[in-house]
Amino acid sequence: ETGVTQSPTHLIKTRGQQVTLRCSSQSGHNTVSWYQQALGQGPQFIFQYYREEENGRGNFPPRFSGLQFPNYSSELNVNALELDDSALYLCASSPVAETNEKLFFGSGTQLSVL
Amino acid sequence: GNSVTQMEGPVTLSEEAFLTINCTYTATGYPSLFWYVQYPGEGLQLLLKATKADDKGSNKGFEATYRKETTSFHLEKGSVQVSDSAVYFCALSDGTGSQGNLIFGKGTKLSVKP
Repeated sequence: ETGVTQSPTHLIKTRGQQVTLRCSSQSGHNTVSWYQQALGQGPQFIFQYYREEENGRGNFPPRFSGLQFPNYSSELNVNALELDDSALYLCASSPVAETNEKLFFGSGTQLSVL
Repeated sequence: GNSVTQMEGPVTLSEEAFLTINCTYTATGYPSLFWYVQYPGEGLQLLLKATKADDKGSNKGFEATYRKETTSFHLEKGSVQVSDSAVYFCALSDGTGSQGNLIFGKGTKLSVKP
């Protein structure tokens, strides 16, 4: 049981629109990471939040942004959507920021950009 | 840069067959290595990990040994079950970069037939 919940489970947007994805981390976890998983590929690291601040970022443009709230939940925002943004977006929480060894993943949000 | 290469799937086996999924990596420094599993409709779950050379990770009958000389972390199981059907991802921690940045392979889909 992961305890990480993501919403919505599926989403359809059109090119140029903006989208917000949400994640509730597992109880007691103060670190949230976001990953993008394109069809047939492994997940790619977008960024991580710890104590409400960005704590590392992968190779994604600035139109991918995020927030972490005092209750450790998190949002991923994507502006000016492109067709290539269609993917499964995964949220993962962990109890500490300094290790990758205890990541708990949610089931993801499937985003389709038309 | 750091990368993970794992064998292409899908892999189809009969119940009780021996499983090997190959994984090799390229990395600077001494990354930790992981196998994650994704069951249908679920998020990724950590299956096993190894943090230094010659370490063997094991869980649920699966095992993998961190081989620095061959830069490999192959996943093995002596006797697979239908319930092992899932997508398996090899990953490494990018210790030289952002916290929480796991680099994943493309995944190998395993189907086990009764």
